[in-house]
Amino acid sequence: AQSVSQHNHHVILSEAASLELGCNYSYGGTVNLFWYVQYPGQHLQLLLKYFSGDPLVKGIKGFEAEFIKSKFSFNLRKPSVQWSDTAEYFCAVNGGNTGGFKTIFGAGTRLFVKA
Amino acid sequence: EAGVAQSPRYKIIEKRQSVAFWCNPISGHATLYWYQQILGQGPKLLIQFQNNGVVDDSQLPKDRFSAERLKGVDSTLKIQPAKLEDSAVYLCASSLQGAKTYEQYFGPGTRLTVT
Repeated sequence: AQSVSQHNHHVILSEAASLELGCNYSYGGTVNLFWYVQYPGQHLQLLLKYFSGDPLVKGIKGFEAEFIKSKFSFNLRKPSVQWSDTAEYFCAVNGGNTGGFKTIFGAGTRLFVKA
Repeated sequence: EAGVAQSPRYKIIEKRQSVAFWCNPISGHATLYWYQQILGQGPKLLIQFQNNGVVDDSQLPKDRFSAERLKGVDSTLKIQPAKLEDSAVYLCASSLQGAKTYEQYFGPGTRLTVT
């Protein structure tokens, strides 16, 4: 069965620090990968997505993620975080043609950025 | 454009009672999803509709949960009878087509507390 692991449940950073949130998945076939974000009091929304092509994808608000197929990873990065990046971040995987269209979410990482 | 609407936003019931949630997706979105998000976990797909047909309900506890999407637009999710472990946020999402390639737009969720 497919699964998604997010390594850190809670991360605390100071403003201007660099961010990397880990995401690993277990699925051997073609995958589509997503990062969703939930700001305090707001709905879950898409941050970025990868389907094919360049494994380094860029999303909104300066976020990027790199798909490393050999490591089954899709880590999220941002060079310099801001206080407004305080949110919960979810990695999600969709298992391509053979996996159907069900999207599996990780448990989430709560990021707190200190001003 | 208007987002995904859900009601009620909060519900408190006693165990063994029944409850129903309503969702109105974004206009034109063919695919509708219901997720259960237990505190500290990521969203778990309960059921996915494509228009008014069920695509995936493999994780729906069918002995107590039911869902319908009449006319391929809005949807209701029902729990009867509720158990303590059903306490969670129930999220509705929609997408233009299946989740494989299209981002999901989430509603605000319904927070259910079963006492």
